[in-house]
Amino acid sequence: GENVEQHPSTLSVQEGDSAVIKCTYSDSASNYFPWYKQELGKRPQLIIDIRSNVGEKKDQRIAVTLNKTAKHFSLHITETQPEDSAVYFCAASWVGSNYKLTFGKGTLLTVNP
Amino acid sequence: GAVVSQHPSWVICKSGTSVKIECRSLDFQATTMFWYRQFPKQSLMLMATSNEGSKATYEQGVEKDKFLINHASLTLSTLTVTSAHPEDSSFYICSAAQGKAFFGQGTRLTVV
Repeated sequence: GENVEQHPSTLSVQEGDSAVIKCTYSDSASNYFPWYKQELGKRPQLIIDIRSNVGEKKDQRIAVTLNKTAKHFSLHITETQPEDSAVYFCAASWVGSNYKLTFGKGTLLTVNP
Repeated sequence: GAVVSQHPSWVICKSGTSVKIECRSLDFQATTMFWYRQFPKQSLMLMATSNEGSKATYEQGVEKDKFLINHASLTLSTLTVTSAHPEDSSFYICSAAQGKAFFGQGTRLTVV
């Protein structure tokens, strides 16, 4: 089955700096890679996703890059703000699986004012 | 976007009792739903795939007789934790897909 590795497990940055979280996946059949933000006690919130026919996607301060050959994808957050502080999860899926997700272990991002 | 609703949001039960959690897709039909479990400070782990009109598919290590799943309609899947024990205390969350995965609010189960 799919295995998703995520690094780092914790990340502390100063407000205004950039944050980068990296993930690798094992199953070459995976073709959908979402990123979720989860606040304590809440459901995961989709912040950005990318499909395997695209190498990069950007939405305001958030971007995701995908390297299919190396089987890794990364989340980039620029101009971080304290409200970006949360746990971030990457995931991998095959669209034909009805979006059955395999999650990374998560990254606790702390943005210091 | 699509809405997935989960009920209850939290429940406390006594050891040995059973608890039922509902997951509904409110504005779309879902032949497949997924149940995940999340322990404190850990990731979401897939427990089982709920299939409308057929048996659920369980991930390795998940006891199918303990976690009963019923997907009787295209908008409702239920997870029943039978004979709950303190180690079953966790955050249970469902998802259904319409173009992408949508999650329910999650259910915080505490077994005392």
